[in-house]
Amino acid sequence: KNQVEQSPQSLIILEGKNCTLQCNYTVSPFSNLRWYKQDTGRGPVSLTIMTFSENTKSNGRYTATLDADTKQSSLHITASQLSDSASYICVVTATSGTYKYIFGTGTRLKVLA
Amino acid sequence: DVKVTQSSRYLVKRTGEKVFLECVQDMDHENMFWYRQDPGLGLRLIYFSYDVKMKEKGDIPEGYSVSREKKERFSLILESASTNQTSMYLCASSLEELGGTREDEQFFGPGTRLTVL
Repeated sequence: KNQVEQSPQSLIILEGKNCTLQCNYTVSPFSNLRWYKQDTGRGPVSLTIMTFSENTKSNGRYTATLDADTKQSSLHITASQLSDSASYICVVTATSGTYKYIFGTGTRLKVLA
Repeated sequence: DVKVTQSSRYLVKRTGEKVFLECVQDMDHENMFWYRQDPGLGLRLIYFSYDVKMKEKGDIPEGYSVSREKKERFSLILESASTNQTSMYLCASSLEELGGTREDEQFFGPGTRLTVL
């Protein structure tokens, strides 16, 4: 069964610190993996996308990595800011099946001043 | 920029009422989706549509129906609202499912928080 698991469920860090969020998946075969940021009360917004052949992708202070062999991805946030407080959702797009977007349950990040 | 709008940000309804949630996208996307989002469960697909008048059931279609009469509009209908349908409802659209390209990115609306009393 295609699944995406994220850890930790929640995380609290101090402003200025770095953090890393994890995403493990069993989706196979897959075409790409995205990280979304969802602010409270808002819809998710795409941060990064990686195809199965890419290892890393950056978007400002956000850097995503992908290891297709171990089926793991991580999202690293550098020099966190209060505005980084949000949920981060990992989504894997499968290449087969009726519908293809497999969502993780997200990591809720809280950045404290 | 793609814009996906939803008719209401907050909605309060009573048990047994018929509820309509509207979603409109302005980028001529083929695919549209309705999800519900609950704490600890993530996004769960209710229905999706890949063309006008076409619809497919997702993971949790029970108690819901959809309508897509025009390409830009996708409606979610709760025929008889129940308290267990209290949730955040998210609409999304995507250009087409090409797999391995960026065209399959989903763009989400702001969500409708529905409370059924």
